[in-house]
Amino acid sequence: AQRVTQPEKLLSVFKGAPVELKCNYSYSGSPELFWYVQYSRQRLQLLLRHISRESIKGFTADLNKGETSFHLKKPFAQEEDSAMYYCALRLSYGQNFVFGPGTRLSVLP
Amino acid sequence: GAGVSQSPSNKVTEKGKDVELRCDPISGHTALYWYRQRLGQGLEFLIYFQGNSAPDKSGLPSDRFSAERTGESVSTLTIQRTQQEDSAVYLCASSAPGHDNSPLHFGNGTRLTVT
Repeated sequence: AQRVTQPEKLLSVFKGAPVELKCNYSYSGSPELFWYVQYSRQRLQLLLRHISRESIKGFTADLNKGETSFHLKKPFAQEEDSAMYYCALRLSYGQNFVFGPGTRLSVLP
Repeated sequence: GAGVSQSPSNKVTEKGKDVELRCDPISGHTALYWYRQRLGQGLEFLIYFQGNSAPDKSGLPSDRFSAERTGESVSTLTIQRTQQEDSAVYLCASSAPGHDNSPLHFGNGTRLTVT
């Protein structure tokens, strides 16, 4: 079965420090990978997707098929980045999205 | 425009009662998903609709859970004879047709508490 793992349940960093939220997946094909974020008292929303190769709010994520990873990175964390982050995998259009367990990022002042 | 709407936002029910949770997806979104999020845990897939049919209902935890969708629009998740372990936030999401890599758009969820 396809799986998404996020090894860190909680990650705390100081403001201005680099941050990396890890995501690994198990799937032998070519998946679509996404990062979703949930800020306090807001709905879950898309942060970025690998196909777009974009940077959103200073975050980037590179798909590494060899390591089956899609880690989320930001060089300088801000307090407003504190949120719950979920990595998600979709096998192909129209199929189920599989979510990781999530990592709570806390950026300390 | 309007996003995904879920109702009620909160529901408290007694063990053994039936509940119905409603999801109004974004207009024109043919794919609709239900997830469950227990306290402190990640998202657990329940069922997914493409149009009015459910090609994947593998996540429904028991036969007490059922879902339907009509008019390629509104979906209802029904839980019969609720148990305390059903307490969770139930999230609905929809995505647009015909677009590769179309992301999910989530509702605010229904927080279900079974006493």
